[in-house]
Amino acid sequence: SQKIEQNSEALNIQEGKTATLTCNYTNYSPAYLQWYRQDPGRGPVFLLLIRENEKEKRKERLKVTFDTTLKQSLFHITASQPADSATYLCALDEATDSWGKLQFGAGTQVVVTP
Amino acid sequence: DAGITQSPRHKVTETGTPVTLRCHQTENHRYMYWYRQDPGHGLRLIHYSYGVKDTDKGEVSDGYSVSRSKTEDFLLTLESATSSQTSVYFCAISGTKAGGYNEQFFGPGTRLTVL
Repeated sequence: SQKIEQNSEALNIQEGKTATLTCNYTNYSPAYLQWYRQDPGRGPVFLLLIRENEKEKRKERLKVTFDTTLKQSLFHITASQPADSATYLCALDEATDSWGKLQFGAGTQVVVTP
Repeated sequence: DAGITQSPRHKVTETGTPVTLRCHQTENHRYMYWYRQDPGHGLRLIHYSYGVKDTDKGEVSDGYSVSRSKTEDFLLTLESATSSQTSVYFCAISGTKAGGYNEQFFGPGTRLTVL
């Protein structure tokens, strides 16, 4: 069966450290993968997109890697801040059509303490 | 925030009643999506639309129908609400970029409780 797995346990991290989140998938062949941030009571907000032929993408303090051999994406938040506390979702699209249908993981909560 | 609104934001209804949720966008984006979000399941696609009057089923479409008569509005109807449809419902929109790879912009969500 198809699965997208993210750590269900919250990641507690001290301010200034790097948070690393994992997204593993099974029985998918994603053309690209996206990461979203979701705050309590709000809709997800897009952060980064990485294509299957890209190894790494960066945006400010965020870095995403994509390893299609391991079937895994890693999401890094460097120099973490309490404002980074949120749930982070990975989503993938196999792009079998052009309708942009995404499959989401359940998300990992990040808690950054001062 | 992208120009997406959802109404109502909260609704409590009884089993067996029909319910319609509305998603309205001001971005003139082609693609619109309805998701539900439940603890431990993440976001699951219910239905999506790729143009006016063009819709299709997603992963969890049973018990739901949709309509899109205008670019800006996408309606989700629970034909006869059941307790298993208690959830938070999110609408999302997506435009067209070079390469066809699009991020989605989400509305604020509707919390629906079916008693």
